[in-house]
Parts: sequence; C-alpha cells; structure tokens
Amino acid sequence: EAGVTQSPTHLIKTRGQQATLRCSPISGHTSVYWYQQALGLGLQFLLWYDEGEERNRGNFPPRFSGRQFPNYSSELNVNALELEDSALYLCASSLRGAGVETQYFGPGTRLLVL
Amino acid sequence: KNEVEQSPQNLTAQEGEFITINCSYSVGISALHWLQQHPGGGIVSLFMLSSGKKKHGRLIATINIQEKHSSLHITASHPRDSAVYICAVKTSGSRLTFGEGTQLTVNP
Repeated sequence: EAGVTQSPTHLIKTRGQQATLRCSPISGHTSVYWYQQALGLGLQFLLWYDEGEERNRGNFPPRFSGRQFPNYSSELNVNALELEDSALYLCASSLRGAGVETQYFGPGTRLLVL
Repeated sequence: KNEVEQSPQNLTAQEGEFITINCSYSVGISALHWLQQHPGGGIVSLFMLSSGKKKHGRLIATINIQEKHSSLHITASHPRDSAVYICAVKTSGSRLTFGEGTQLTVNP
C-alpha cells in the first residue's frame, strides 16, 4: 500500500513569492493535515481538511491557505513568503470517523525562502 | 509554558542500554502519539495510546491519564534507534499538539 506522498521534496523561493505544496493521502483516507516544522521549533499544526472542507486551523496568518480536492489530495499555498516560512512542511492523512485515528505522515517538503 | 513538554531534550546512550523518554502534558487529551523522526525529516508514527501500555518489538509506551504523563522506553538500544522522538497529544478537532522532541543518539 502506498504511503502519504508529498511534492516537491525541496522548494526554493524568494521573499514575496508564492509556494504551492502538494500532498496525496493514503488510499481511502479522507482527512489531510498540514504541519510546519521550522528550524529549532517543534511541529506546529497548520490545517486540517476532511471531505473537501477546512475543519480546523492553527495559529497561522491567512497567507497560509489550502484546499482539498475531490480525490482527497491537498495543496498548501503560502503567499507573500517571508524568511521565517523556511521550514519542513509535513502532511499526514487519516481515516475520518474511524474511532481512534492514526495519522500517517508523508516525507515532507523542505521550503527555503531566500 | 508549552502544553506538551518532553524530557530530556537530548539523550546519548551506549548500544544495549535501556532508554526512557518522558512526556508531560497540561491539556485534556483523547489520545497521545509517539512519533519517530529520522534525519531528513521523515516521520513514523510509533504508537497511539489512550490508556495503559503498548509494546512493539523493543519499544514500549505507557500512559497515565490521571498524572498526564507518558513514557517511551527502548530496550536493548541500537544505533539505528538514533532519531528524534516526538510526543504529540490529540486535543479537540483532531488537532495534534507536539512536544519539542528528544534527540536520541545511540553509540555503538
């Protein structure tokens, strides 16, 4: 069974640009979660999508947004990039309404903002 | 004060040693995860606990809901266990709140 996949693996942008990160969940999973892990900081919850809807959002500015497609894959968009947006962005997927959920993590996208 | 705190932050052990990593949390949770993050960033979910104890190979995880504390134990540690171990608690709305991680280095 294929795991969670993310693309690209690495992304280099400059300040003010936009970045788009993609995530494909495990087949059958309807929930997708996005996390940011900045250098020296722990993982921070960004966004949760389920069945195409944004269900919850972490303490991030509106320039962090995303969407979930009918096939449950997801995009994370970061507008007006700032230097401190440089981080590892992790996507996880899970079954929804499966009782006690288990989130399966992808390998991450490393974003570097210059 | 972080809602999830781990200790120690860094841990160096010799191969074969018994290792314990601790996690304390201050919020109500429905479940607690232990995650392993290897160099390069890949994360593997090791355990999800809502009560009691779970064992998988050389790894054991326990949780005490009343004391809001969990421990991850590694028996007969091996250099391939070297990684960052992260405790994460599931609060409302399927959100996970993470500890800052414990960097484990096991020397041969």
